[in-house]
Amino acid sequence: GAVVSQHPSWVICKSGTSVKIECRSLDFQATTMFWYRQFPKQSLMLMATSNEGSKATYEQGVEKDKFLINHASLTLSTLTVTSAHPEDSSFYICSARDGLAGYQETQYFGPGTRLLVL
Amino acid sequence: SQQGEEDPQALSIQEGENATMNCSYKTSINNLQWYRQNSGRGLVHLILIRSNEREKHSGRLRVTLDTSKKSSSLLITASRAADTASYFCATTRSGAGSYQLTFGKGTKLSVIP
Repeated sequence: GAVVSQHPSWVICKSGTSVKIECRSLDFQATTMFWYRQFPKQSLMLMATSNEGSKATYEQGVEKDKFLINHASLTLSTLTVTSAHPEDSSFYICSARDGLAGYQETQYFGPGTRLLVL
Repeated sequence: SQQGEEDPQALSIQEGENATMNCSYKTSINNLQWYRQNSGRGLVHLILIRSNEREKHSGRLRVTLDTSKKSSSLLITASRAADTASYFCATTRSGAGSYQLTFGKGTKLSVIP
């Protein structure tokens, strides 16, 4: 159980286009999802916390107009990188916590989406 | 912000040897977790240790936590080539409803067959 999927697994796009990444919890209801980015050989940096039915909370330095997050259902959160530029190229990973499991500290991670902006 | 620091940054050992990785953090925590990441993949949860625990075991994994020193260690015994991966510690800060994870920089482990 506790599987999180991401789609697409990789994407290559031209500079200026927008890219949408989906994060789904497959067998549990995720009241909270998290979005991270990871540069090569570096650790994960939290970008934003997404709560179902409300606006995402962004970390300092993350542009909310650049990285649009929507968490419209208990099993789906989307991250849209708007007007992507080469510096947005990165590995984007989502995670989710099971909202029905009480104080569940464990987060379940998706397999990641590699974005390359040309 | 990143608060965890792992050392060493990279570790190379022979199969069968033990691997020890350390993690330090800065703020008070509710718990500390260790995750594993194979190259280009997502993270796999390994073990969670709460702030009131000092040691925890799971199979070949042994985790210790010293809250007075704000540090933790992950020991992998009898390592296998398949253990080759990056290992990250992550902390959850003290405070009601705080579920956010703050990750360390990670240790890249290479187990040579």
